[in-house]
Amino acid sequence: AQKITQTQPGMFVQEKEAVTLDCTYDTSDQSYGLFWYKQPSSGEMIFLIYQGSYDEQNATEGRYSLNFQKARKSANLVISASQLGDSAMYFCAMREPQESGGSNYKLTFGKGTLLTVNP
Amino acid sequence: AAGVIQSPRHLIKEKRETATLKCYPIPRHDTVYWYQQGPGQDPQFLISFYEKMQSDKGSIPDRFSAQQFSDYHSELNMSSLELGDSALYFCASSLGRAGRNYGYTFGSGTRLTVV
Repeated sequence: AQKITQTQPGMFVQEKEAVTLDCTYDTSDQSYGLFWYKQPSSGEMIFLIYQGSYDEQNATEGRYSLNFQKARKSANLVISASQLGDSAMYFCAMREPQESGGSNYKLTFGKGTLLTVNP
Repeated sequence: AAGVIQSPRHLIKEKRETATLKCYPIPRHDTVYWYQQGPGQDPQFLISFYEKMQSDKGSIPDRFSAQQFSDYHSELNMSSLELGDSALYFCASSLGRAGRNYGYTFGSGTRLTVV
């Protein structure tokens, strides 16, 4: 079963406007972490923002903020004042325990949302 | 700051050949993860190592093997390559249990093309 769901395959936004990229997750763990990564056409995976399950405040990093609604199991990414350089694929990911147990975790990714910023 | 280094950046191989991808984690990071990202797909977890021991295994084909060496760098060995192995292969590193912010750092990836 998909543990990270991104329902928007593609999104369009006008330059300088704000955009919200949706992410819902499924876990039975009490302690987990949620990440957003940006992948431009060049391919590298760029970390944007992190939200821990016990964090009481929504995470913010510059123009990026995470709208964390724990009861709804959603962790939407909000990009304010969009720029042309924001055009990229955006992945939501969840840190979950590795199947072998122990103290290591792995990231599980959603299918991604392709954001296009129009001038 | 030093990042995760992957080599080579690009690799072209013929079917049934072998390929070796290398990953050099951030200094002092003891855990390495390998991911495969097919065209238009999300990254899929392949395998991970902690302190030079395999710590978890994902959807890694039997034709692939990997190890982590004493200097913590890791190599992904791929044999009997198939066209479907064409993908972007990412390596990520972390310090033990991945903590908050920047818990995982990804390399720039190796783009493997099998022809």
